[in-house]
Amino acid sequence: DIVMTQSPSSLAVSAGETVTINCKSSQSLLYSGNQKNYLAWYQQKPGQSPKLLIYWASTRQSGVPDRFIGSGSGTDFTLTISSVQAEDLAIYYCQQYYDTPYTFGAGTKLELK
Amino acid sequence: QVQLKESGPGLVQPSQTLSLTCTVSGFSLTSNSVHWVRQPPGKGLEWMGGIWGDGSTDYNSALKSRLSISRDTSKSQVFLKMNSLQTDDTAIYFCTTRSAYWGQGTLVTVSS
Repeated sequence: DIVMTQSPSSLAVSAGETVTINCKSSQSLLYSGNQKNYLAWYQQKPGQSPKLLIYWASTRQSGVPDRFIGSGSGTDFTLTISSVQAEDLAIYYCQQYYDTPYTFGAGTKLELK
Repeated sequence: QVQLKESGPGLVQPSQTLSLTCTVSGFSLTSNSVHWVRQPPGKGLEWMGGIWGDGSTDYNSALKSRLSISRDTSKSQVFLKMNSLQTDDTAIYFCTTRSAYWGQGTLVTVSS
């Protein structure tokens, strides 16, 4: 199974700050056949289902604000949230869909400082 | 529009079998995969398994011996069955398709 390691596990921020969440996979998620990284980022707020933010490591889902930026390739990935808003306080998960089982990272909780 | 809704018993006795249904609309099960993801209270997400458009299935290796996913395309329903439930199977169970569409989730508590 591919292991997804997220860091940090929690992050205290002030509104307007830029934050970076890291996700590392135990094997490459880059498929040579199409040069795509099979990595997604989700946001989950209390009592809600996960919301897809980013897929193919860097493609923003429709309707997601452009302050959410996904980057990285191979085994190392980053979710950057620029100018954090109060509505961004949530738990963020990365997930690989390169191979089953489609494993998730443990999550990063974004809290208010 | 694409919609998914989970249904099933809220309470299951230890050692019993869990049966959940995901009723979908707005897309075809023969062209899209549906996956089950669960989340124990206060914990992270765990991919359980999925059924593909061609009807084939994949399972989390940790659950494979207990888990079965099937579907009825005529009713637009996907089923999850998991046996030998224990208290650590208490979780919210979600069904999802295309990563972007999720049901609201259904809480299953395993308790006597």
